[in-house]
Amino acid sequence: DIVMTQSPLSLPVTPGEPASISCRSSQSLLHSIGKNYLDWFLQKPGQPPQLLIYLGSHRAPGVPDRFSGSGSGTDFTLKISRVEAEDVGIYYCMQALQVPHTFGQGTKLEIK
Amino acid sequence: QVTLKESGPALVKPTQTLKLTCTFSGFSFTTPGVRVTWIRQPPGKALEWLARIDWNGDRFYSTSLKTRLTISKDTSENRVVLTITNVGPDDTGTYFCARMDGSTVVYGLDVWGQGTTVIVSS
Repeated sequence: DIVMTQSPLSLPVTPGEPASISCRSSQSLLHSIGKNYLDWFLQKPGQPPQLLIYLGSHRAPGVPDRFSGSGSGTDFTLKISRVEAEDVGIYYCMQALQVPHTFGQGTKLEIK
Repeated sequence: QVTLKESGPALVKPTQTLKLTCTFSGFSFTTPGVRVTWIRQPPGKALEWLARIDWNGDRFYSTSLKTRLTISKDTSENRVVLTITNVGPDDTGTYFCARMDGSTVVYGLDVWGQGTTVIVSS
């Protein structure tokens, strides 16, 4: 199975400041068709996860443009340009290249 | 509007078989590219991918749990069922089903159910 490793696991951020989460995979997630099969989810307290980013860098419908995904191969980053209070929760990356799909451990973002 | 809803027993005893149902609406399992996935979350822990069934009947399972899992679909009833045999305390948690429709632009698990919580205890 592909192992997903996120860092940091805890991320305190001041509102208005940027934030960045790293996700690394044990194998390349770059498919031969040129797409990276890496998704990002946010799970707000008491809610199911919601899709933020798919295929490495594509924002899901309705996701604010302060969220962006980048990276290729085994190294990926989720960036929030200016954190807002509503962004608190746990962020997960998930590889969708090979079954079984696998998640990272999660990064808990909290407001300072 | 696409919706999914999980259902199942709230409490099961160790060694029993757990049956979870995901009832959906707003999409058809006959559409090529549609996939439904089960994911669980133990209390206070990370998400764990369990199983997936595709529109064409292909099935995929978690490596560590595959001997205990069975996923199936009832296309006419718009349901996906996951069974877990020989449950133990580690199976306690919230179980989610989620959809991906590969025929659309959004290639990801874009719609999730609210989850159903299961406790395994005698």
